[in-house]
Amino acid sequence: KQEVTQIPAALSVPEGENLVLNCSFTDSAIYNLQWFRQDPGKGLTSLLLIQSSQREQTSGRLNASLDKSSGRSTLYIAASQPGDSATYLCAVEELQAGTALIFGKGTTLSVSS
Amino acid sequence: DAGVIQSPRHEVTEMGQEVTLRCKPISGHNSLFWYRQTMMRGLELLIYFNNNVPIDDSGMPEDRFSAKMPNASFSTLKIQPSEPRDSAVYFCASSFAPDSEAFFGQGTRLTVV
Repeated sequence: KQEVTQIPAALSVPEGENLVLNCSFTDSAIYNLQWFRQDPGKGLTSLLLIQSSQREQTSGRLNASLDKSSGRSTLYIAASQPGDSATYLCAVEELQAGTALIFGKGTTLSVSS
Repeated sequence: DAGVIQSPRHEVTEMGQEVTLRCKPISGHNSLFWYRQTMMRGLELLIYFNNNVPIDDSGMPEDRFSAKMPNASFSTLKIQPSEPRDSAVYFCASSFAPDSEAFFGQGTRLTVV
């Protein structure tokens, strides 16, 4: 059974710092890995999707990498801002027919000004 | 498109009452997912529809939970009878599966007293 783990569970950094969030998964038979952002009391917003054939994706100050063979992904946030404070979740879509996204429990990021 | 639309946004009900949550997926998407989010367990997949057909309902907690998708633009999740332990945020998501970005609604916060 696929398990997705995110470490650390919480992270506090000062504004301007570059940071890395980690995600690991146990079964490499995946279509893709997606990173989401969730603000308190809100739904999930898709940030980046990395397909299994890709190594990384970039959007603005965000860069996500995928190493499928080792079951790892990282989300790099450059020059962090207080507005980046949120919970970041990663999820994998398995190749097995009929499976939906399997989520980690998230990393809660706090960026102080 | 307005995105995935869920209603109601908040629901407070007494134990034993029937609760119906509603979801309108993004037009053109072929897959719809219901997730439940709690602090303790994170995001859990309840059920997954593809082309209006339930594919995986192994996450549905027990017989008190049921879900339907009568057409491509509407789904319901029903809890009958409701219990305090059902209190959580319920999310609906849709995508053009497999291997594409998933979009989430804003969620329904359910409180059973």
